Amino acid sequence: QVQLQLWGAGLLKPSETLSLTCAVYGGSLSGYYWTWIRQAPGKGLEWIGESIPTGSTNYNPSLKSRVTISEDTSKNQFSLNLTSVTAADTAVYYCARGVKRRYFNLWGRGNLVSVSS
Amino acid sequence: QSALTQPASVSGSPGQSITISCTGTSNDVGNYNLVSWYQHDPGKAPKLLIYEVTKRPSGVSNRFSASKSANTASLTISGLQAEDEADYYCCSYAGGSTFVFGGGTKLTVL
Repeated sequence: QVQLQLWGAGLLKPSETLSLTCAVYGGSLSGYYWTWIRQAPGKGLEWIGESIPTGSTNYNPSLKSRVTISEDTSKNQFSLNLTSVTAADTAVYYCARGVKRRYFNLWGRGNLVSVSS
Repeated sequence: QSALTQPASVSGSPGQSITISCTGTSNDVGNYNLVSWYQHDPGKAPKLLIYEVTKRPSGVSNRFSASKSANTASLTISGLQAEDEADYYCCSYAGGSTFVFGGGTKLTVL
C-alpha cells in the first residue's frame, strides 16, 4: 500500500524559506503528478503546484515567483521550497499524488507550518 | 483564479440524503469534466471520493454520488451515517495546468 509521509520545519520567521519533503513509500514516483496543497487556518484548500512526469513543473500563479517543487528519484521523494514566507503562508501543507492532472488519489497527512516573528 | 464556492456547512440526520454544491465559472467547473471531491477528517489525510465529475474510486461507498450542471457540481451523500461527518472539498482543473479548490463544507450528522 503506497503511503506518503512528509516532514519539514514547523516554525519559521518572516522572510525565511519553507522547505518540506514528501517521501513515497511502497510505490514509485514514476508516472504521477506530485503535488503540494495547503490549507490556511479557517480557509479552504489551495493548490500550490506540481512536478510532472516530463520533469517539468507547474505552479499556482499567485505563488509562482516564490515556489520550487523538485523530485529526487534516488530517494523516492519530492520537495517544496517556498521563499520569503510571511504570516499569510501559515498553513497545513499536504503532499499528494496526482493522476494525469485529473485528480489526487493519495494524500499525506499534512504538516503545520507557522510563520511568526 | 478564485476558489470554488461551497456552502460553509450542511447537516442531516442519519438515513437522510444531503447535497453539497460547488459553484465555479466557465473557466473551470463549466469548461472541464475534471471535478473531484474529497472527504477530510481534520488531522487525517484527505480522501478521494469522486473524480472526473461522477466516477467513484474502488472502495468508496455507492452512497456517494455526484453530478455537474453548467458551472455547478454537486456531491450527494445518501443514507447519511455518523461516520460521514467530515469536511468535504470540491476541486476542478482550471486550465493552464492549474487547479482550484472549493472553500470546503462541514457536514454535521445530527
